[in-house]
Amino acid sequence: KNEVEQSPQNLTAQEGEFITINCSYSVGISALHWLQQHPGGGIVSLFMLSSGKKKHGRLIATINIQEKHSSLHITASHPRDSAVYICAVYNNNDMRFGAGTRLTVKP
Amino acid sequence: DSGVTQTPKHLITATGQRVTLRCSPRSGDLSVYWYQQSLDQGLQFLIQYYNGEERAKGNILERFSAQQFPDLHSELNLSSLELGDSALYFCASSAGVMVYNEQFFGPGTRLTVL
Repeated sequence: KNEVEQSPQNLTAQEGEFITINCSYSVGISALHWLQQHPGGGIVSLFMLSSGKKKHGRLIATINIQEKHSSLHITASHPRDSAVYICAVYNNNDMRFGAGTRLTVKP
Repeated sequence: DSGVTQTPKHLITATGQRVTLRCSPRSGDLSVYWYQQSLDQGLQFLIQYYNGEERAKGNILERFSAQQFPDLHSELNLSSLELGDSALYFCASSAGVMVYNEQFFGPGTRLTVL
């Protein structure tokens, strides 16, 4: 079993839909990072979380340390949100990555 | 544009060869991280340097080595290349020393080993 599990692996949505991507981990962590990888390969940092909730535009990230679970929500999804979303967990100087969730938003 | 630059963008080489990938961090960032992303393994952390010193080590093979120079740019050296080393190699930088500081990623170097 991977230390970092993401679900779903693939997600197809219609423009405007509310999206949720989940990340569960089995180790103690210092922080959790959500990354977005565009179809061209470039990686963008979205959120770094150690507790609670963060919001940026249409994106919201939450983390529950007790349940070892984080969610990334996208409201009013748009085709430009189509990307792979990767969850990374940090424990001191160690990091582990989820396999990613491939999101396709259709117009 | 993250401010992190990587060269070259693409590299094609043969098994057994040695290559050097280069990364320039964002202005003011002292940490540089190297990652490997392959189709079967996903994204993996290789190594971190902070202000010239090795700070954290991930799944870096013994055939691979890295260094960070006084001007803070970093190089990742890959030797005795194997087919399985074909991957995207990303560099990222951050201001702080801890790996969970916000990181800014470069565009990556695509390595193909034939």
